[in-house]
Amino acid sequence: EIVLTQSPGTLSLSPGERATLSCRASQSIRSSSLAWYQQKPGQAPRLLIYGASNRATGIPERFSGSGSGTDFTLTISRLEPEDSAVYYCQQYGSSPPYTFGQGTRVGIK
Amino acid sequence: QVQLQESGPRLVKPSETLSLTCTVSGGSISSYYWSWIRQSAGKGLEWIGRIQTSGNNYNPSLKSRVTMSLDTSRNQFSLELSSVTAADTAVYYCASMGPRDIIPGPFDPWGPGTPVTVSS
Repeated sequence: EIVLTQSPGTLSLSPGERATLSCRASQSIRSSSLAWYQQKPGQAPRLLIYGASNRATGIPERFSGSGSGTDFTLTISRLEPEDSAVYYCQQYGSSPPYTFGQGTRVGIK
Repeated sequence: QVQLQESGPRLVKPSETLSLTCTVSGGSISSYYWSWIRQSAGKGLEWIGRIQTSGNNYNPSLKSRVTMSLDTSRNQFSLELSSVTAADTAVYYCASMGPRDIIPGPFDPWGPGTPVTVSS
């Protein structure tokens, strides 16, 4: 089973600032099959990024993903108030079980 | 545009079987991969299992208690989790993993989720 470790646990930034979230895998993820999700209170997670760097339909350009192998990054270039949420990484490249990171909470000052 | 909706009892007694259904609209259930995922305060997001017309895969940590099935006539798929305990209290989500003719992709879209409490 691939273990995903996210850092930091919590991030508090001002509107317009850049947020950098990290996801590290316990072993290499095949074909960069790494996704990022955003979850707001009372809602299901929403797909932001798939294949490590591809934005899902309707996702604003300020969200970008990068990385390969065991190290991946989600960047929010200019934070908006509505970006306050918990962000999860998830791998789907290896044989099941599919696994999630523990999440990074992003707060807007 | 595929849409999903979970349904089922919100309260289950310890040692009994949790049963949930996911109703799919906007796409044929035979054409996609489908998964169940749960989220609890203690364990975060946990993948339960995946099903498609050719078979299924379950999380080894739950495999002995999980059964998933497809109902093509109703365009639904279901989850049964037996011998539940308080540790199975969670919000349960169903989700698609993309078209069946390629390798499984990320979870998209998700249903809104249904909370299930295990308590006597």
